[in-house]
Amino acid sequence: AQSVTQLDSQVPVFEEAPVELRCNYSSSVSVYLFWYVQYPNQGLQLLLKYLSGSTLVKGINGFEAEFNKSQTSFHLRKPSVHISDTAEYFCAVTFAHNQAGTALIFGKGTTLSVSS
Amino acid sequence: EAQVTQNPRYLITVTGKKLTVTCSQNMNHEYMSWYRQDPGLGLRQIYYSMNVEVTDKGDVPEGYKVSRKEKRNFPLILESPSPNQTSLYFCASVSGGELFFGEGSRLTVL
Repeated sequence: AQSVTQLDSQVPVFEEAPVELRCNYSSSVSVYLFWYVQYPNQGLQLLLKYLSGSTLVKGINGFEAEFNKSQTSFHLRKPSVHISDTAEYFCAVTFAHNQAGTALIFGKGTTLSVSS
Repeated sequence: EAQVTQNPRYLITVTGKKLTVTCSQNMNHEYMSWYRQDPGLGLRQIYYSMNVEVTDKGDVPEGYKVSRKEKRNFPLILESPSPNQTSLYFCASVSGGELFFGEGSRLTVL
C-alpha cells in the first residue's frame, strides 16, 4: 500500500529565507507525486507535479521539488519565501498506472509560517 | 471561468437530519471525488466517480452516499449525520493530472 509522510507538521521561517518542506513516500511500484497548497479559508491548488522525465520539477510561485527515487522523497523548496507563502502544504502520491490525479493519497500537511 | 462549485459553504445541523452537499463542475471532467479534511489527518478520500453512473468507495466511505447521474454534478449525501462527520469537505474534479478543488463546505453536526 502507498503512504505519504510529511516530516514536519510546522515550519516557521523568516521572510526571504530559504525553505524546504520534506515529503517521503512508500510504494513498491512507480508513482506520480504532487504538491498542493491551501491558503487560509480556500481550497487546494496544485503547486507542481512529477509524472515522468526530469526529476527536478518547477512549479508556480517560485517553488520547485526534486524526485529522488532511491530515497523515495519529493521535497519542496523555495530559495526565498514571502509573507504571502504562509499556507498549508500537502504532498500527495498515486500509483503511476492510475489516471494521473486520481486516487491520491495525501500527507497530513505542513504549515509554513513566514514572518518578517 | 473554470470552476468547481460546492454548496452550502457552511452548515450547522443536528444528528440524524439528512443533508446533501452539492458539487458541480463546468470543465466536462470525467473524474470527480469527495474528500474530508480534519486537523492532523490531512485529506482523506470519501468517494470517487470515474464517470456518469460509476462511483466507488474511497478510504472513509462510512456514513456517506454519492450519486453521479450527470457528468457535471456529484452530490454528497449524509443520510443520518453524526458528530464525527463534523469536518471540512472538498469536492474535486480531475484533468491532465491535476485536481481542481472547490472552496470547501464546513459542516458541523451537533
